[in-house]
Amino acid sequence: DVKVTQSSRYLVKRTGEKVFLECVQDMDHENMFWYRQDPGLGLRLIYFSYDVKMKEKGDIPEGYSVSREKKERFSLILESASTNQTSMYLCASNLWQGGSGQPQHFGDGTRLSIL
Amino acid sequence: SQQGEEDPQALSIQEGENATMNCSYKTSINNLQWYRQNSGRGLVHLILIRSNEREKHSGRLRVTLDTSKKSSSLLITASRAADTASYFCATDRRNQGGKLIFGQGTELSVKP
Repeated sequence: DVKVTQSSRYLVKRTGEKVFLECVQDMDHENMFWYRQDPGLGLRLIYFSYDVKMKEKGDIPEGYSVSREKKERFSLILESASTNQTSMYLCASNLWQGGSGQPQHFGDGTRLSIL
Repeated sequence: SQQGEEDPQALSIQEGENATMNCSYKTSINNLQWYRQNSGRGLVHLILIRSNEREKHSGRLRVTLDTSKKSSSLLITASRAADTASYFCATDRRNQGGKLIFGQGTELSVKP
């Protein structure tokens, strides 16, 4: 079974801090994704990576950056945390096969609170 | 932009009853997927239906797709309390490398 592991289930940080959320997958997937999930807004794509060192902005990249130095690891960085970044963050991965049609496999999420 | 929109937003039924959730979308798709999310957990993939398919089954799940109406439905038969979860449809973004657009989900509650 594919396993996507997010480093923390719960995290509390202060405004202005630099925050790192880590995600590791064990199935050699090319694609990795970061989403945030908020009540009433569903899942929104923050960033997407289709290969090592490659990244694309999603729908809401402002205030975030990402790093993918190794295929199995995809990090989300909040450069200077703000209270409106309090949310549930979900990491996912899938295979690249012709561009679509592959299920995404999700981690259990990190519930981040910015005080 | 919002692509998939589920209906209803919340559904409460008794164990043993069938649960039907609907999803509408706006643009052409290659495929549509359904996911389940238990409270406080990540999403789990349930089923994928391609644009050239009309119906697909997996265990107690039945998914239909009507591309002319840009809609899909998920039917869970003989529901169990363990089916209590949120259910999301997701559509792929054509020519955008496997990225998905998720709806806001249907919250299903199955009472024992």
